[in-house]
Amino acid sequence: NAGVTQTPKFQVLKTGQSMTLQCAQDMNHNSMYWYRQDPGMGLRLIYYSASEGTTDKGEVPNGYNVSRLNKREFSLRLESAAPSQTSVYFCASTGLAGGPGVFGPGTRLTVL
Amino acid sequence: AQTVTQSQPEMSVQEAETVTLSCTYDTSESNYYLFWYKQPPSRQMILVIRQEAYKQQNATENRFSVNFQKAAKSFSLKISDSQLGDTAMYFCARVEYGNKLVFGAGTILRVKS
Repeated sequence: NAGVTQTPKFQVLKTGQSMTLQCAQDMNHNSMYWYRQDPGMGLRLIYYSASEGTTDKGEVPNGYNVSRLNKREFSLRLESAAPSQTSVYFCASTGLAGGPGVFGPGTRLTVL
Repeated sequence: AQTVTQSQPEMSVQEAETVTLSCTYDTSESNYYLFWYKQPPSRQMILVIRQEAYKQQNATENRFSVNFQKAAKSFSLKISDSQLGDTAMYFCARVEYGNKLVFGAGTILRVKS
């Protein structure tokens, strides 16, 4: 039982490059989320998927796209990376309504 | 807009003493869930404690307890017998529609020996 896994753990991109952050959970959770964490800002929601087949924008969706590939996997794509997207990205999943989020270990992304 | 407010950017406490971290929030819902998360230097987000708004009793987990004041929309975290391993960033969070967790900006807690 691995919980929530994220790949990669670290990534450096040049401005304009694209990449996909992968997230998978093995807890049979319905809801999955992508957050970014910046100093002094706490965690801000980028996109979420309340259930398989649905995705919705969060607080800061611009510059990102997501895919809920199946119940286990939820990926985040940066089509054309910008320095403002330098951040730590967390994936999380939740089972029951109001249940606590289980977080992955995070991905530190630097865009030069 | 930020709907969860943590007014203390940084706090420090001596080992074995008690410290209280503050959190206030906005909501128009009658039932909801509140959380405190701990983020140590390892960056892993760890659930500390969970409170359901319809429950009057304050949640407790070992040395961690909350003071939940529903009318005041206040949800503070008390850490008793502070330990060096409690040094971390602490986030208050509230669940919104769609099971979305909304976080405060965080409080850095330093436990001193």
